[in-house]
Amino acid sequence: TQLLEQSPQFLSIQEGENLTVYCNSSSVFSSLQWYRQEPGEGPVLLVTVVTGGEVKKLKRLTFQFGDARKDSSLHITAAQPGDTGLYLCAGPNFGNEKLTFGTGTRLTIIP
Amino acid sequence: NAGVMQNPRHLVRRRGQEARLRCSPMKGHSHVYWYRQLPEEGLKFMVYLQKENIIDESGMPKERFSAEFPKEGPSILRIQQVVRGDSAAYFCASSPSGSGTNEKLFFGSGTQLSVL
Repeated sequence: TQLLEQSPQFLSIQEGENLTVYCNSSSVFSSLQWYRQEPGEGPVLLVTVVTGGEVKKLKRLTFQFGDARKDSSLHITAAQPGDTGLYLCAGPNFGNEKLTFGTGTRLTIIP
Repeated sequence: NAGVMQNPRHLVRRRGQEARLRCSPMKGHSHVYWYRQLPEEGLKFMVYLQKENIIDESGMPKERFSAEFPKEGPSILRIQQVVRGDSAAYFCASSPSGSGTNEKLFFGSGTQLSVL
């Protein structure tokens, strides 16, 4: 099973600040997905990146897939309290259909 | 258009009892995945099923755990003789085709299992 490590594990910042969280692996992934999970709910897909070096923007969120397709980052500009949640990256394992999830970054935005 | 429905939302069992968790996938979805999440951790894959078939159960404990997705009705995750270590949130996800094709997974709200 290919492993995904996320950092930092916990992040607490003031509203309005910028932040970046990371998703790293020693393995190559055909694609990576980013999910956000709120307490008591299931994860919700934010974006899928497929091409090495790809950058996707979703309002104040910018997702990047590493050139070698082993890592990805999520940058949030001007964080807002509504961004609070658990951010998970996930990628499909080669040769089978299951998604492997990263360890997660728990983000708290302080008003 | 209902999303993935899981029930119950909360389930309390005493050690040694059986837990049955249900998952109805989104309409038109024939692929179901079960994941387990411990507090402050990511999701751990348990099992992947298509209608009437278990495709990948590599994440399922060999004993006490079983899953099914019958032709009619919801997918069921069954845990027999529960122990305190089984306490976790169990999430079901569905997709119209396998996630290896970059298909989006839709998750339910989960079942929080507490074993006393």
